[in-house]
Amino acid sequence: DAGVIQSPRHEVTEMGQEVTLRCKPISGHDYLFWYRQTMMRGLELLIYFNNNVPIDDSGMPEDRFSAKMPNASFSTLKIQPSEPRDSAVYFCASRPGQYNEQFFGPGTRLTVL
Amino acid sequence: AQSVAQPEDQVNVAEGNPLTVKCTYSVSGNPYLFWYVQYPNRGLQFLLKYITGDNLVKGSYGFEAEFNKSQTSFHLKKPSALVSDSALYFCAVRHLAGNMLTFGGGTRLMVKP
Repeated sequence: DAGVIQSPRHEVTEMGQEVTLRCKPISGHDYLFWYRQTMMRGLELLIYFNNNVPIDDSGMPEDRFSAKMPNASFSTLKIQPSEPRDSAVYFCASRPGQYNEQFFGPGTRLTVL
Repeated sequence: AQSVAQPEDQVNVAEGNPLTVKCTYSVSGNPYLFWYVQYPNRGLQFLLKYITGDNLVKGSYGFEAEFNKSQTSFHLKKPSALVSDSALYFCAVRHLAGNMLTFGGGTRLMVKP
């Protein structure tokens, strides 16, 4: 298996632009998580899905952030409009079932100018 | 609420010496504990986990961790450090019946030749 796939790996955009981050979880994994990593705040859980349904989005910082999972093999995290403080590394992770570990993707490094 | 504390931002050890990376946690009920490692510009990689059973858990790359319920600790250990072990290490906890992982702030391990 190729593992969790994220695209793009790097994204540089200007303030006010829309940004879409993509994730393909490992096949058969029914949980999907989006995290953000910054030096100041460490690793933060933004939202997670179970069987494509959003379960907890309490970590989503603002209404500018939205996430979808239209099917079991694809999820997006969208920021509209983007701001410089959104600059971070965004990780997607998937997990098979309730009692297993999460598998992380390589991350997307987002820079908002 | 659940939380994880990694009291050391950095641990320095000489190659061949034993290493310990400390972690204490707080969670209501039975904890489910993890250690992950992150190499530069990579996603987090799973090292080991504790659910129940033997307090000493063995994981990848010769790492092990000891669960201590009375001290609410889950310290990561390795008998003989390698230069290639140099990386950022994260401890994480969740309630056994929950889904949301809470990560510590990370500890940078530096192994010098």
